[in-house]
Amino acid sequence: GQQLNQSPQSMFIQEGEDVSMNCTSSSIFNTWLWYKQDPGEGPVLLIALYKAGELTSNGRLTAQFGITRKDSFLNISASIPSDVGIYFCAGQLRNQGGKLIFGQGTELSVKP
Amino acid sequence: SQTIHQWPATLVQPVGSPLSLECTVEGTSNPNLYWYRQAAGRGLQLLFYSVGIGQISSEVPQNLSASRPQDRQFILSSKKLLLSDSGFYLCAWSIQGAEAFFGQGTRLTVV
Repeated sequence: GQQLNQSPQSMFIQEGEDVSMNCTSSSIFNTWLWYKQDPGEGPVLLIALYKAGELTSNGRLTAQFGITRKDSFLNISASIPSDVGIYFCAGQLRNQGGKLIFGQGTELSVKP
Repeated sequence: SQTIHQWPATLVQPVGSPLSLECTVEGTSNPNLYWYRQAAGRGLQLLFYSVGIGQISSEVPQNLSASRPQDRQFILSSKKLLLSDSGFYLCAWSIQGAEAFFGQGTRLTVV
């Protein structure tokens, strides 16, 4: 079946550092989404991308929809302690009527 | 504005007992609806998704089933729970091709 390969699986960084994570797939996606999940809660949408090559920012977050439609990255600049959590990429597959699949997540830890 | 309600928040059930988790969406029509399971705080596994009333796509063979009796209602069920069914169950909705929004999840523990 379709898979999203998300990396890295975990990151341990100092407050103030920049963070980069990415997702790749062998399948083509119509939409790329990035979420953050805090413990015991549902994922919260951070950024949505709809066009190949699209680069979108949301505060300190920047994400891009790869030109091939098979990959995306998320950057977090100047990390702060509240950035701690698990970040997920997700993609809606072309020609698969709403099917939305997720990467395995990147667990981010930030040292004050 | 749109809202999604998922309940219960936590559930402890014995092995072999039935299960029914309910999810409802307000403020939108004909949404796509999804059930995911998350084990050990990691990846979200797509269990079922629905693009309309009575239309259910199953992603993973298992002893769970889903139903969509109304446009904005999505139910996850099991006739007999297994220990391996324990996990964090998440319901989500989207308008096709757009971003998905999640409920707060149900923590299921099968004992």
